[in-house]
Amino acid sequence: EPEVTQTPSHQVTQMGQEVILRCVPISNHLYFYWYRQILGQKVEFLVSFYNNEISEKSEIFDDQFSVERPDGSNFTLKIRSTKLEDSAMYFCASSVSNEAFFGQGTRLTVV
Amino acid sequence: GESVGLHLPTLSVQEGDNSIINCAYSNSASDYFIWYKQESGKGPQFIIDIRSNMDKRQGQRVTVLLNKTVKHLSLQIAATQPGDSAVYFCADLSGGYNKLIFGAGTRLAVHP
Repeated sequence: EPEVTQTPSHQVTQMGQEVILRCVPISNHLYFYWYRQILGQKVEFLVSFYNNEISEKSEIFDDQFSVERPDGSNFTLKIRSTKLEDSAMYFCASSVSNEAFFGQGTRLTVV
Repeated sequence: GESVGLHLPTLSVQEGDNSIINCAYSNSASDYFIWYKQESGKGPQFIIDIRSNMDKRQGQRVTVLLNKTVKHLSLQIAATQPGDSAVYFCADLSGGYNKLIFGAGTRLAVHP
């Protein structure tokens, strides 16, 4: 069964450093997303991407964040100058219509 | 504003019982909802969806009810099994395929 894969599964970084979270969406999907989930809280929308551009973003997704689809298969989330409060699970998802398929997530810990 | 939330943070049931998980929403224009299941250490998994032109939709052992009058939806799980233990989220996809708004989540604990 096709699935969304994310790497790494865990990432520890020092405050102020940049991180890149990687995702391989399901191959025939057209919509790509990043969500985050702070421990014990709800899943929050960050950004959606369609036709090689951002289609919608939340207020969380400020200039610290960027997304890229560099090679037609990978979909990356870059977080610049990480802060302690960026610690969370980051989920990538993709869809062709209403059913979004989520990856297993990357646990980001900023120390 | 947008808000999708749940009434109870934790629900404990006995194996074999039916479970009902509730969700309230505030945006009267919302017209498309999805229930997701999140098992420990995994991403959310699609369970069932419902559009506002329906009051009820059934899947395998699951039923979603939508009451637009009071802006409330529920997920019913029949004959709950240990494998149903997870956090359940309702989500609003009314803005199109671009953005899911998740509720706070209800943890379902199934006891033998």
